[in-house]
Amino acid sequence: GDSVTQMEGPVTLSEEAFLTINCTYTATGYPSLFWYVQYPGEGLQLLLKATKADDKGSNKGFEATYRKETTSFHLEKGSVQVSDSAVYFCALSDNAGNMLTFGGGTRLMVKP
Amino acid sequence: DVKVTQSSRYLVKRTGEKVFLECVQDMDHENMFWYRQDPGLGLRLIYFSYDVKMKEKGDIPEGYSVSREKKERFSLILESASTNQTSMYLCASTFDRASNQPQHFGDGTRLSIL
Repeated sequence: GDSVTQMEGPVTLSEEAFLTINCTYTATGYPSLFWYVQYPGEGLQLLLKATKADDKGSNKGFEATYRKETTSFHLEKGSVQVSDSAVYFCALSDNAGNMLTFGGGTRLMVKP
Repeated sequence: DVKVTQSSRYLVKRTGEKVFLECVQDMDHENMFWYRQDPGLGLRLIYFSYDVKMKEKGDIPEGYSVSREKKERFSLILESASTNQTSMYLCASTFDRASNQPQHFGDGTRLSIL
C-alpha cells in the first residue's frame, strides 16, 4: 500500500536559519502530494500541494517540488521565524477517492 | 472559508462508556473523514463517508462506528471506550473525490479514557 516517510524530529533551528524537512513516498500511479502544518492546539492546515511531477508548491515562503524520479517532496524555507514552530505533515492522496496517507509528522522548533 | 467544527476540544470519559464525537462542516462537502493522531504515528484513518448514510472503514476501524444522517454532520462513536482509545481525534472534509482537493480539518478533540 501507499506510505509516506518523514524525517523524525524535533528539528531545532535558530531564527533565519534554512529549513529542510525530508519526505519520501511509495505509491502506485501518480498521487497528489501535500504538506500540512499543525500549530499548537489547532487542527491541520494545508500549507502547499503539488499534483504532478516537477510541480512546485509554495506558500508563506515554504516550497516543495514533486520529484517523481526520487519519489520525494522535501519541504524547504530559506529563513524560518519563531512563528513557524509547529508540526509538519507530508501526505499523499490516491487517485481513487481522495484518501490521504500521512507521514509521522516532524516537529519544528525555532528559537529566537 | 470552510469551517469544520468539532463539538468538544477536550473530553474525559471512563472505560466502558459509549462516547460520541461530533463534527459539522458548513460548505456542503460530500466527503468526511475521521482520523486519530498519535505521537510518531501521524494521522490514521478510522472511517470515512462519501455521502449521507454511507460509510467505509479506514485503516483502524476496530472499536469505532460512525453515523452520517445529514450531509453536514459526521459522528464518530466509541461503542465501549477503552484506555487505548485515548488520543487526539480529527475530523476533515473535502468537496468531492478529486485527488487534488485538500482536506479541511477541525481543531481536534483530545479524548482521555480513564
